[in-house]
Amino acid sequence: KQEVTQIPAALSVPEGENLVLNCSFTDSAIYNLQWFRQDPGKGLTSLLLIQSSQREQTSGRLNASLDKSSGRSTLYIAASQPGDSATYLCAVRPDTGNQFYFGTGTSLTVIP
Amino acid sequence: ETGVTQTPRHLVMGMTNKKSLKCEQHLGHNAMYWYKQSAKKPLELMFVYSLEERVENNSVPSRFSPECPNSSHLFLHLHTLQPEDSALYLCASSPDRRGPSGANVLTFGAGSRLTVL
Repeated sequence: KQEVTQIPAALSVPEGENLVLNCSFTDSAIYNLQWFRQDPGKGLTSLLLIQSSQREQTSGRLNASLDKSSGRSTLYIAASQPGDSATYLCAVRPDTGNQFYFGTGTSLTVIP
Repeated sequence: ETGVTQTPRHLVMGMTNKKSLKCEQHLGHNAMYWYKQSAKKPLELMFVYSLEERVENNSVPSRFSPECPNSSHLFLHLHTLQPEDSALYLCASSPDRRGPSGANVLTFGAGSRLTVL
């Protein structure tokens, strides 16, 4: 069974810093990997999707990379802002089936 | 409406009540999901419905009963729940693998916050 781990569990940074969130998975037979943002008590908002054949995706200040062979993905946030404060989750979709496996998330606080 | 819509957004029920959560997607997706999110725990997949498969997490108690009448609607019927079932229930949808790979995005609704007294 695929296991997804996110480190760190919580992160607090001053505004303006660049930061990296990590996601690792145990089975490299993946179809895609997706990064989400969740605000307290709300649903998940998709940030970036990386197909298994891709190395990275970018959207604005966000850049996600994927190293499938080593079972790792990173989410890079440039010039962090207080509005970036949220929980960030990664999810892996295996090669077969329609299930998605989620990590426990990284809770990010950006201090003004 | 667009996206994934869940109703009700908040539900308070007693242990002897019967209620249902509803999910509707307007994205043309053909796979739908129920997830449970409890504090300090990973998202727990409860059920998946798609043209290819129906998946049930064997650890989900029978007091939760899914219904998927078509590819756009998904229900979660609740009966004789326990206080530990209080959580945020999230519905999601996605295309299956036959669609364009760039569109294989898992899309969530805003969630239904359930409190069992």
